[in-house]
Amino acid sequence: DTGVSQNPRHKITKRGQNVTFRCDPISEHNRLYWYRQTLGQGPEFLTYFQNEAQLEKSRLLSDRFSAERPKGSFSTLEIQRTEQGDSAMYLCASSRRETRENTEAFFGQGTRLTVV
Amino acid sequence: AQTVTQSQPEMSVQEAETVTLSCTYDTSESDYYLFWYKQPPSRQMILVIRQEAYKQQNATENRFSVNFQKAAKSFSLKISDSQLGDAAMYFCASDMNTGFQKLVFGTGTRLLVSP
Repeated sequence: DTGVSQNPRHKITKRGQNVTFRCDPISEHNRLYWYRQTLGQGPEFLTYFQNEAQLEKSRLLSDRFSAERPKGSFSTLEIQRTEQGDSAMYLCASSRRETRENTEAFFGQGTRLTVV
Repeated sequence: AQTVTQSQPEMSVQEAETVTLSCTYDTSESDYYLFWYKQPPSRQMILVIRQEAYKQQNATENRFSVNFQKAAKSFSLKISDSQLGDAAMYFCASDMNTGFQKLVFGTGTRLLVSP
């Protein structure tokens, strides 16, 4: 296993179009996270899955955003009717069920979205 | 709300020298985790070091160590014997023991390493 994989790496889209990103977590990780990182800022939490259940969503995740994780494996993040403000790096991370000695999220390389 | 503050947008160090990156945080929790992540250009973020708030001893990982001051809510990262490969963005992050990795990140410090 080569780590968390995200596709595509880059996406340029016109305002108003829909886009979908995919994340493949590390295979034995049952927890999956999406973060958004804008230029000059640190990543911001968007949402969290444990297996196929979406257990928490940030207020940053507007109605135009939807995330799924069918069968508890890969995840998709869809943005409908994209706006220029959606331009950012979208990061996916995964982790195992945590013990006190094991709290680490592994990040993918991200998908950079540019809305023109 | 949790906040993490990194007041140094950019730091420079020469190879083999030591540099310290600063981080402060705000929380009302008594049990939490703190992290330093490294983000090289165009590459994924990787964990550098982790500190659990209930542990008194400062965490150390090879050339990386932290100075954790719980009362002051300060969590600085010291990089000893700096190497060219250490050049990257460094993010301080907190996890307020929510039971999963809901991380709150600072704005990052860009570390430049010169030969």
